[in-house]
Amino acid sequence: DTAVSQTPKYLVTQMGNDKSIKCEQNLGHDTMYWYKQDSKKFLKIMFSYNNKELIINETVPNRFSPKSPDKAHLNLHINSLELGDSAVYFCASSQDRAAAAFFGQGTRLTVV
Amino acid sequence: AQKVTQAQTEISVVEKEDVTLDCVYETRDTTYYLFWYKQPPSGELVFLIRRNSFDEQNEISGRYSWNFQKSTSSFNFTITASQVVDSAVYFCALDDWADRDDKIIFGKGTRLHILP
Repeated sequence: DTAVSQTPKYLVTQMGNDKSIKCEQNLGHDTMYWYKQDSKKFLKIMFSYNNKELIINETVPNRFSPKSPDKAHLNLHINSLELGDSAVYFCASSQDRAAAAFFGQGTRLTVV
Repeated sequence: AQKVTQAQTEISVVEKEDVTLDCVYETRDTTYYLFWYKQPPSGELVFLIRRNSFDEQNEISGRYSWNFQKSTSSFNFTITASQVVDSAVYFCALDDWADRDDKIIFGKGTRLHILP
C-alpha cells in the first residue's frame, strides 16, 4: 500500500528532451511538494501545491513546470533537459502545511 | 537493507524543558551520512545537520545538540531549553553510499509539540 508513489524510479534521457515525473498520493492529503536532492544529498524545495494551487515556487528554471490535475497528483514536467538537471527528485505530501510529510521513494534522473 | 527508525511519533513537552528525539538506522556500509531536517508549520524541510560516519564527535549548535553513537547505530537530537518555535516535525535521514539508488532514506518523522 504505497502512500506516495513516483514514476519512474529511474529515468535516463538525452539533453534537450522533455520529460515528466509523476507523483500520486493515496492519503487524501491537501498539500504536495517536489524536492530536488543535490549532489551532497541536501534536499531543496522546488514547489509546493495546496489543493491544486501553487504555494511555494522556489527559484527554479522555468523549464520546470509542476502540474496538478487533482489534489492527489503533482507531476513535474521538465523541458529542454540539461546535464545539470541530473539529480534525484522527491515528491512528498502532507495533510496540510503543518503536518508531517510523507515522501515518495525518489526518481533518479540522468541526463546524458 | 537500509532503514531509518524514529520510534517516537509524537512528543509534547512544556517550554524550557529539554527534549531528545531518537533516530536509529540500519546500513551495511561503513561510509554513510546522517541528516536531521526540520519541517516547520510552513511545510518545507529545513536542513539542520549532516554528519559522516567517520566523525563520532558530538556536535552542538546553540540549543541543538546531536549524539552520534555508531555502536548503537543511533543519531539522537536534543533540544535544550525548548521554545514554542521548535514545534515542528523532525526527520532523520540516511545517505548510504552503498545504496545503488543513491538516494537518501527518511525516517517517518517525529512531531514535536512545545507547549507554552
